[in-house]
Amino acid sequence: EAQVTQNPRYLITVTGKKLTVTCSQNMNHEYMSWYRQDPGLGLRQIYYSMNVEVTDKGDVPEGYKVSRKEKRNFPLILESPSPNQTSLYFCASSSLPLRETQYFGPGTRLLVL
Amino acid sequence: GENVEQHPSTLSVQEGDSAVIKCTYSDSASNYFPWYKQELGKRPQLIIDIRSNVGEKKDQRIAVTLNKTAKHFSLHITETQPEDSAVYFCAASAGNKLTFGGGTRVLVKP
Repeated sequence: EAQVTQNPRYLITVTGKKLTVTCSQNMNHEYMSWYRQDPGLGLRQIYYSMNVEVTDKGDVPEGYKVSRKEKRNFPLILESPSPNQTSLYFCASSSLPLRETQYFGPGTRLLVL
Repeated sequence: GENVEQHPSTLSVQEGDSAVIKCTYSDSASNYFPWYKQELGKRPQLIIDIRSNVGEKKDQRIAVTLNKTAKHFSLHITETQPEDSAVYFCAASAGNKLTFGGGTRVLVKP
C-alpha cells in the first residue's frame, strides 16, 4: 500500500530536549516536505527536499533541521524545542514537478512544555 | 514570497445548498493551485487542482475556477451533503514551494 508514515504520532517533551520526528514514504517520490498546522494559520511549510541531499527552507524554518540521506526518509529535527513549536506536524511527499498530488502522513502532535 | 489569503474562515450551509470558498495569491508566477480537504482528526487530502493554463475544472459536485489576471481562484461545491463538512485549504505553487491559505471550516447542516 502506497503511504507516508510518521513517528511518533504523539509526543510530549520539555523545552530544550532534542527530538526527531521520522517520515518515510514508499512511493519513490523525489519531493518531500514538512508542514506545521496551527489554528487559523493553515499549513505552513518548514522545509522541503527535491531529492537526496537536496533540501531547502520553506516559510518557517527557524528552530528546525532536516536531512535527506535516503530517498524514502526525511526526518525533522528539533535541536532545542521551545513551547512555540507546539503544533501538529505533517510530512508529505509527491513526484516532481510539484504539480502532482501531495500525499500527507497521518500527522504528529507535539506538545513542548 | 507567495502569500495566499482564503475567505471565509467559516462557512455554514444548509444541506443541498452550494458553498463557495475564495482564495487570492500574490505571486504572479504561481501556476498550480490545489485544494485539500481535511476531516476532523485526519490528514489533508487532495480533492481537486487546477493549472494555470486552465480557467475552470469540474469533478462531479466540485469545481474550481481560476482568474490569473485578478490572481484569485475559487472552490465551488454544489448540492452539499453532511460528508462535505470539513476544513478546506487552498494552496498555490510557483515552483518548488507550496503555500497554503488559512483554511475554511465548512459545516453542512442537515
